[in-house]
Order: sequence, then structure tokens, then C-alpha cells
Amino acid sequence: QSALTQTRSVSGFPGQSVTISCTGTGSDVGGYNHVTWYQQHPGKAPKLMIYNVNERPSGVPDRFSGSKSGYTASLTISGLQADDEADYFCCSYAGDYIYVFGTGTKVTVL
Amino acid sequence: QLQLQESGPGLVKPSETLSLTCTVSGGSFSNRDYYWGWIRQPPGKGLEWIGNIYNSGFNSGNSYYNPSLKSRVTISVEMSKSQSSLRLSSVTAADTAVYYCVRVTHGQYCFDPWGQGTLVTVSS
Repeated sequence: QSALTQTRSVSGFPGQSVTISCTGTGSDVGGYNHVTWYQQHPGKAPKLMIYNVNERPSGVPDRFSGSKSGYTASLTISGLQADDEADYFCCSYAGDYIYVFGTGTKVTVL
Repeated sequence: QLQLQESGPGLVKPSETLSLTCTVSGGSFSNRDYYWGWIRQPPGKGLEWIGNIYNSGFNSGNSYYNPSLKSRVTISVEMSKSQSSLRLSSVTAADTAVYYCVRVTHGQYCFDPWGQGTLVTVSS
């Protein structure tokens, strides 16, 4: 199972929107609506931001939204804030109780 | 509030077995809505799913592993102690990483919450 492919880095000014993509195959992203997104600040454990493609856990701002089209899932951060600067990882269920993570995207707030 | 805490040696010699324990507090470990997993992150790199273990339902006691690690990994649970354990055999420097334990919720296919993580270095 190969890692899902994510853009290495994206950046934006405060208040702008940025979108992170996560590309897999028909065996993972394309085959299941079980894509999740995690935010990780330096030296910290990852935090769940989105599950099942577009559902937000309680406490996660609605500035974070997820979507999927074909083999590519996306995370959009609207109204970018300084604290959004972090690494973001996607993850997909890949069948047979297997999971695969993405390569990670560094979000920089300019 | 549910908390997960990893513990174990921070240094393991090459070819030996890495052993970690995750202690769960503040919630029900045996709740059949949840199961337990391990994820690792080499320094400066991305996340890698290691495996999950199910402690309820028809999957009770069954564990599932990353195919790339399957031959070396064992995950188990000790219900009486609310603990999950990870064993990784024949380690090399490539196994140096921060190891996280996580909870997985049935139907959500996501990892939440995470333990704080513990760094394990493989070196002689």
C-alpha cells in the first residue's frame, strides 16, 4: 500500500483560503468515503480535523471543510489564521481493515 | 476526558524487540464502540499506520497490521489494565520514530484521540 500523495506545501495570507489535496487510488480514497484529515503542530500529537470525507468533530471550526472527487480528497481552510500554520496529513481506509496516510502538507501563513 | 499514555524504553538495540504500552484512562477501554491502534512518525517525516486491534464484536481479539510491518508486529490488549501493547521485532535504525497510540471509533474510521507519543531510538 503506497502513501497517498499530498502537495508538499501551501501558503496564504491571513483571511485567505487554501486547499490541500490528497490523491490516492481506487483501492483507498476512490473506493471509500472514509478520508480523514489531521493537523499537527511542531512537537505535538496530530489532531483530528475531518472524518468521513467532510464531517467535523465537535470543537473544530467550520473554517475547515473536506471534500472528495474521484481519487482525490481535499481539505480547505477558509479565513486562514496564524494558528493554522502546521502540517496536515490525510488518511484513508483502504479495505481489509487497512489504513494509509498521506505524505503530508506544510501550511504556511504569510 | 479520555487520555492515552504511551510508555516503554526510549532506546532499543538493533535486532532486538521494541515493546510499548498504552494506558487508557478517563473512559471505558472495553466499550464496543471503540478499538485501539498504533501509529508512528520517524523524525521529520510523515505518519505511518502500524495496526489496530479490535476488542469487541465479531472481530474481538483480531488485529490487523500494515502489510509492510506485518511479519514483525504484534498488538495486544489487556482489558483488566485498560492497556494496549505494541511489539515490533528485529528492529533497525529505520524503526526510530515517535510512536503514538490512538483510539478508533466504529463507523468513523478515524484516529481520535492520540497519545502524546513516545520517541524510540534504535541504536547500539
